[in-house]
Amino acid sequence: QQQVKQSPQSLIVQKGGISIINCAYENTAFDYFPWYQQFPGKGPALLIAIRPDVSEKKEGRFTISFNKSAKQFSLHIMDSQPGDSATYFCAASIVDGVLSSGSARQLTFGSGTQLTVLP
Amino acid sequence: DAGVIQSPRHEVTEMGQEVTLRCKPISGHDYLFWYRQTMMRGLELLIYFNNNVPIDDSGMPEDRFSAKMPNASFSTLKIQPSEPRDSAVYFCASSLLLGIQGAEAFFGQGTRLTVV
Repeated sequence: QQQVKQSPQSLIVQKGGISIINCAYENTAFDYFPWYQQFPGKGPALLIAIRPDVSEKKEGRFTISFNKSAKQFSLHIMDSQPGDSATYFCAASIVDGVLSSGSARQLTFGSGTQLTVLP
Repeated sequence: DAGVIQSPRHEVTEMGQEVTLRCKPISGHDYLFWYRQTMMRGLELLIYFNNNVPIDDSGMPEDRFSAKMPNASFSTLKIQPSEPRDSAVYFCASSLLLGIQGAEAFFGQGTRLTVV
């Protein structure tokens, strides 16, 4: 129930195109869904995050779409740029919710998507 | 603040040797996490602390791995004895549980461990 499934494993997009990465979760207790961006040789860094009380959050070219009933959320990168080339991780955790057996407050990460934006 | 500081950045050691990785979390953060990253398994949570107390160590792969947090500003991850399959990048992260704002985890630069 702690697993977060992420797809695709890798993605190649032309400059200016839209990059879409999808994630699905099982644990309905999750109430915080961040996306992390990691460049080679660096640690992951928070890109954007959403709480389940909204269906969409936009920050610049980055948008999270959240579907609570389907237990899915996705990251959309509009007008993708070569500088966006990185590995993207979705994650989920329980921030406010009551912990049940097997749940915990740490971030559970997806397997990552390596995005390459061609110039 | 300088962020989460990890040392060393790179460590090469021989199989069987003891390895100690160090982490200084962001001041004031009350959660500290140790992750391991490999190509095959992605980001795996090894252990996390809340207010210096280990909360969940179910991700620690074997008894060869141990972690301590003697105070709020320092944590160590020790592998004894090390094996080639321990080769990975180890990340330390810290966070402040902000409730409504979520729980952003700030990661260090990582320690790349190579066991030969």
